[in-house]
Amino acid sequence: SQQGEEDPQALSIQEGENATMNCSYKTSINNLQWYRQNSGRGLVHLILIRSNEREKHSGRLRVTLDTSKKSSSLLITASRAADTASYFCATDKASYDKVIFGPGTSLSVIP
Amino acid sequence: NAGVTQTPKFQVLKTGQSMTLQCAQDMNHEYMSWYRQDPGMGLRLIHYSVGAGITDQGEVPNGYNVSRSTTEDFPLRLLSAAPSQTSVYFCASSSYGTNQPQHFGDGTRLSIL
Repeated sequence: SQQGEEDPQALSIQEGENATMNCSYKTSINNLQWYRQNSGRGLVHLILIRSNEREKHSGRLRVTLDTSKKSSSLLITASRAADTASYFCATDKASYDKVIFGPGTSLSVIP
Repeated sequence: NAGVTQTPKFQVLKTGQSMTLQCAQDMNHEYMSWYRQDPGMGLRLIHYSVGAGITDQGEVPNGYNVSRSTTEDFPLRLLSAAPSQTSVYFCASSSYGTNQPQHFGDGTRLSIL
């Protein structure tokens, strides 16, 4: 079974709206990362949040982490058509060796 | 910088054939890993390495072999290809530790007939 699970599986919004994606995981973690994948390309790292952090920002991205609920959310504000991509969360199982990815959320931003 | 380079980009094999997917990085990263991506499954970890001479299994290692003789290279071998191994394969590298961002190649699209 996978460590991380994103929700929803697919999301379609209008340009300018905010997009929120959620990630739930099963076992304790040290770090949680979010990645983006454009169609036909490799993944690109967006942001990392450590288990002792609750919120991080990077440009239009806001990530929160609730370790008591074993969940994280990625908020993209003022979305653009160029934000259309798949977004994945990745977690470690309280180990510094393995990084496990969830199945991803497919985001479509309609101009 | 080239980053992570994967070759080939596309490959078609027949069942039972063998091949090696190549992965090279020029960032002097200790950590390298191989993932496969199937529709609706996200990325699943096949094998990983924390340094030259050290490899370990991920979530789905069966049917794949790896070796790490240099820091730069981490080839993935399919000894006897099966249709279930049809997938997109990604190689990634990072500095050691799961608190480091991984850098991905653009993938190898592999079809097994």
